[in-house]
Amino acid sequence: AQSVTQLDSQVPVFEEAPVELRCNYSSSVSVYLFWYVQYPNQGLQLLLKYLSGSTLVKGINGFEAEFNKSQTSFHLRKPSVHISDTAEYFCAVSDTGTASKLTFGTGTRLQVTL
Amino acid sequence: DSGVTQTPKHLITATGQRVTLRCSPRSGDLSVYWYQQSLDQGLQFLIQYYNGEERAKGNILERFSAQQFPDLHSELNLSSLELGDSALYFCASSVGGASLETQYFGPGTRLLVL
Repeated sequence: AQSVTQLDSQVPVFEEAPVELRCNYSSSVSVYLFWYVQYPNQGLQLLLKYLSGSTLVKGINGFEAEFNKSQTSFHLRKPSVHISDTAEYFCAVSDTGTASKLTFGTGTRLQVTL
Repeated sequence: DSGVTQTPKHLITATGQRVTLRCSPRSGDLSVYWYQQSLDQGLQFLIQYYNGEERAKGNILERFSAQQFPDLHSELNLSSLELGDSALYFCASSVGGASLETQYFGPGTRLLVL
C-alpha cells in the first residue's frame, strides 16, 4: 500500500514570489507520482506527472516538480506565482501495476495575495 | 472542460435513502474511476471500471455499488445513506486504465444527506 504526506495544509505567498509545495510518499513498490490542482468548485486537473527518466518534470502553468527517490519526495515548485494560482494542490501516487488506484495526499491550499 | 460530465451537480436527500450518480467519460476513454472527497477522509479512490468490467477496488462501502454500461457511462449507487456520506463525488476517466495514464476528472456531484 502507498501513502502520501503533504505536511503543509496552507501556504500563503505574495504574487511573483517563488513557492514550493512539499510532498513525501511511502511505498514498498515502484510508483508513479502526480500533482493535481483543484480550483474552487471545479474538478481536479493534472499539473504534471513523473513516470520514469529525468527526475525534473515540467508541467502546465509554469510548475515543475523534482522526484527524489532517496528522500521519497516529489516537491512542486513555481518560480513566480500569480493570483490565478490560488487553489488546492494534491499530490498523488499509484503503483506501476496494471490497475490505477490513485492515493492522494490531504492537499495544500496555496493562497496568493498582492 | 475535461470532457467528463457528471449529473446531477447537487443532490440533497435524507438518511436511509438511495441515490444514483451518473458519469459520462471523455469520448474514447474506456476506463472510469469514482472518488469521494470529504472533509474527514480527504480524496479517496472508490472503484475503477474498464470497458464494463471492474478493474480495481478501493475503500468502497458495501452500501455503495457501481457499474459501467456498454455505452461506457457509469453509475454509482449509494444506498441506506448516512450523514457521513455527505461529500463531493468525482468521476474520472482515462484511455485504457493503466496506472501511468492521466485521469481526467469531472466537476463532481455534491451530495448532502440530511
